[in-house]
Amino acid sequence: DIQMTQSPASLSASLGETVTIECRASEDIYNGLAWYQQKPGKSPQLLIYNANSLHTGVPSRFSGSGSGTQYSLKINSLQSEDVASYFCQQYYDYPWTFGGGTKLELK
Amino acid sequence: QIQLVQSGPEVKKPGESVKISCKASGYTFTQAGMQWLKQAQGKSLKWMGWINTNTGKTTYAADFTGRFVFSLETSASTAYLQITNLKNEDMATYFCARGHYYDGAFAYWGQGTLVTVSS
Repeated sequence: DIQMTQSPASLSASLGETVTIECRASEDIYNGLAWYQQKPGKSPQLLIYNANSLHTGVPSRFSGSGSGTQYSLKINSLQSEDVASYFCQQYYDYPWTFGGGTKLELK
Repeated sequence: QIQLVQSGPEVKKPGESVKISCKASGYTFTQAGMQWLKQAQGKSLKWMGWINTNTGKTTYAADFTGRFVFSLETSASTAYLQITNLKNEDMATYFCARGHYYDGAFAYWGQGTLVTVSS
């Protein structure tokens, strides 16, 4: 199975700040990577697919980048509504696997 | 609009079975496979597998073979997850989901069904 290692596990940032979350795959996943946002008690919401493509309706302050085994999610100008947990997921190979998650809080 | 609506929370005893439904609307049911995922409280997500809504063919992740069964009622645009011989470690929220751009990038999710296992 492809292991997805996400960092940091938790993050505290101020409003307006830029935040970056990293995800490392145990092997090349050829951009088969998605990022999700999940708020407490809610279903995950797709933010990014194909490593850098923004899902419809997702604010442009979210962006994804990376290739090979290293990927990142960047949130520009952090808003209060961005407080949530974030997960990366590879869909290059079965079984599709998720990172451990990053809990983002306001400082 | 595309919606996936799951059945309500369940409380079961160890050894019992549970069947969760996921009713799809807003699209042709057979147009996309249905995925199933598990999330224990405070944990990340685990992909359980998927069912091809055209053929009924199922694919299970290694951790979800034997006691887990995906099925369909195509006429009702509904997918099901059944778990038999429930164990304490099955206590979790279960989600159905489907892709949009790619099967593996889940653009649409059910609201989740909490399964509590307690003696």
